Amino acid sequence: GAVVSQHPSRVICKSGTSVKIECRSLDFQATTMFWYRQFPKQSLMLMATSNEGSKATYEQGVEKDKFLINHASLTLSTLTVTSAHPEDSSFYICSARSQGWDEQFFGPGTRLTVL
Amino acid sequence: GQQLNQSPQSMFIQEGEDVSMNCTSSSIFNTWLWYKQDPGEGPVLLIALYKAGELTSNGRLTAQFGITRKDSFLNISASIPSDVGIYFCAGFSTGANNLFFGTGTRLTVIP
Repeated sequence: GAVVSQHPSRVICKSGTSVKIECRSLDFQATTMFWYRQFPKQSLMLMATSNEGSKATYEQGVEKDKFLINHASLTLSTLTVTSAHPEDSSFYICSARSQGWDEQFFGPGTRLTVL
Repeated sequence: GQQLNQSPQSMFIQEGEDVSMNCTSSSIFNTWLWYKQDPGEGPVLLIALYKAGELTSNGRLTAQFGITRKDSFLNISASIPSDVGIYFCAGFSTGANNLFFGTGTRLTVIP
């Protein structure tokens, strides 16, 4: 299958700081990338969908000014959690899909802990 | 939004036993995908199904796309300890650009 990487795999930050998470498709062009959040023992919750070169589409209840998404190239999307608070602590996972594909491939996830 | 109900929520089985789990949706899906997630990792795609009635295997795993297009099944034969994890169904409904995920089935295999 196609490979998606995420960086960092784990980050701990102080409340009020901003954190950037990178998602890269390593061996294909990701025309669409997705960002999910997963709380312990729960399923994945879609936060936003981004098409390369376009503004991201956010799911209901997700603050676009808090979770900034950039998808400036066909291999890279970034999620920036601005002014992070403890309640933002979660497992953030990106996935990517190429045009015409039905399959979505996931990154390994980023564990964010806000103190 | 779309709702995918997955059952059972959790399973405890003996090594060597077969496992069956299923997923139902409230609307018609065009594609069904089954993923496995290990702790602290992202989901890994196991099987993809593209048309109603399709039966696809991947090693000890077999999945089927239901005839009604509202359900899918995943079977694991002769389970082994490394099968432990959470299994998610996911699918695309008509006109949707993103996957909808099931609630997950947590599998524990007892050696």
